[in-house]
Amino acid sequence: DAKTTQPPSMDCAEGRAANLPCNHSTISGNEYVYWYRQIHSQGPQYIIHGLKNNETNEMASLIITEDRKSSTLILPHATLRDTAVYYCIVRVGQGGSEKLVFGKGTKLTVNP
Amino acid sequence: ETGVTQTPRHLVMGMTNKKSLKCEQHLGHNAMYWYKQSAKKPLELMFVYNFKEQTENNSVPSRFSPECPNSSHLFLHLHTLQPEDSALYLCASSQQGEKQIFGSGTQLSVL
Repeated sequence: DAKTTQPPSMDCAEGRAANLPCNHSTISGNEYVYWYRQIHSQGPQYIIHGLKNNETNEMASLIITEDRKSSTLILPHATLRDTAVYYCIVRVGQGGSEKLVFGKGTKLTVNP
Repeated sequence: ETGVTQTPRHLVMGMTNKKSLKCEQHLGHNAMYWYKQSAKKPLELMFVYNFKEQTENNSVPSRFSPECPNSSHLFLHLHTLQPEDSALYLCASSQQGEKQIFGSGTQLSVL
């Protein structure tokens, strides 16, 4: 079972920031939070990941709470092409046996 | 183009056929994965290979047979499948301990 909880769907206006929440209250100290997105019938696309510090790259920002029990993915200026299912995943295992356990994700719809 | 290439992109097969899915990566990764995504269901991990050795089999039926001849190639051999095996089959690769990169998948239909 997935170790994360996400809202099933969200809407966002084009050009506005999209803030996608994720709860991972049972996360262990050495487990990373990963975010992927999947556009219909394509392979998941890696977005960003973090352990405990906030992270930013060219696609998004990841804000992790101090207790690490939740996080937020921020798309600063959403476009129509950002419409996708977004998965928040806690990566389990280590040393070559890492696994990504996908949940149902959040379907983000960016509206014009 | 992610660097992970899957062929074919679409496949239709009968229940008595034998077919193979192919995955290729030239990213220098040492781990490769097969996932299954049925309609309206989350991705399910099927197999994991590290340095050509299978390290995970997630209770997958024997009608799915993986093969990893080297770190760059991964196959999924299919035989006597059932209609409920129709799904998107996704391959991914990673460097140990790092992010997984996915291919575009093979959409399989079993008639």
